[in-house]
Amino acid sequence: LAKTTQPISMDSYEGQEVNITCSHNNIATNDYITWYQQFPSQGPRFIIQGYKTKVTNEVASLFIPADRKSSTLSLPRVSLSDTAVYYCLVGYNNNDMRFGAGTRLTVKP
Amino acid sequence: DTEVTQTPKHLVMGMTNKKSLKCEQHMGHRAMYWYKQKAKKPPELMFVYSYEKLSINESVPSRFSPECPNSSLLNLHLHALQPEDSALYLCASSLGTGLIDYSGANVLTFGAGSRLTVL
Repeated sequence: LAKTTQPISMDSYEGQEVNITCSHNNIATNDYITWYQQFPSQGPRFIIQGYKTKVTNEVASLFIPADRKSSTLSLPRVSLSDTAVYYCLVGYNNNDMRFGAGTRLTVKP
Repeated sequence: DTEVTQTPKHLVMGMTNKKSLKCEQHMGHRAMYWYKQKAKKPPELMFVYSYEKLSINESVPSRFSPECPNSSLLNLHLHALQPEDSALYLCASSLGTGLIDYSGANVLTFGAGSRLTVL
């Protein structure tokens, strides 16, 4: 199972771009990288998933270098409502769905 | 339907009670999960059902008993719980593996959770 390491917490201000990096040195060939967002007392919500290079959707971008040993979630122009915990999961099959500690992002006005 | 529905939203029970948490999805997902989450901690995997068979039991105490009656339903039966079992219980589902085109197959869709308090 690939283990992930993320910063415990990050602070930002409204309107800034936020980049959260996840390290996964033991990522396997078949593993995908998936990011989730969680607000208090709610279930995590899928943000973005990627395998290599760059993936972009309407809420975020995911940058994955060629060696795939890390990934960076980029949130453009954050707002107060982006204050949440962000989790990076790495895996291929049902058995890999374990969460690491996550990154607690606080967006300030 | 793109939701996972969990009931009840809140449950208070005594240590001698027997209760159940229920989870339902109609997205055709073939993998379903139970997680336990304590305050300010990440979700902790408890059980995984894949194609209605229990594939993962993370050494969960027997006072928690999962059941998957069919591909759309997942139950968690609770008996003789302890106060430290009080937590948010999250159900999730995913499309499942075994597909050639894997992309997106293991993306989890979570329910809103059931907040359990054991007195």
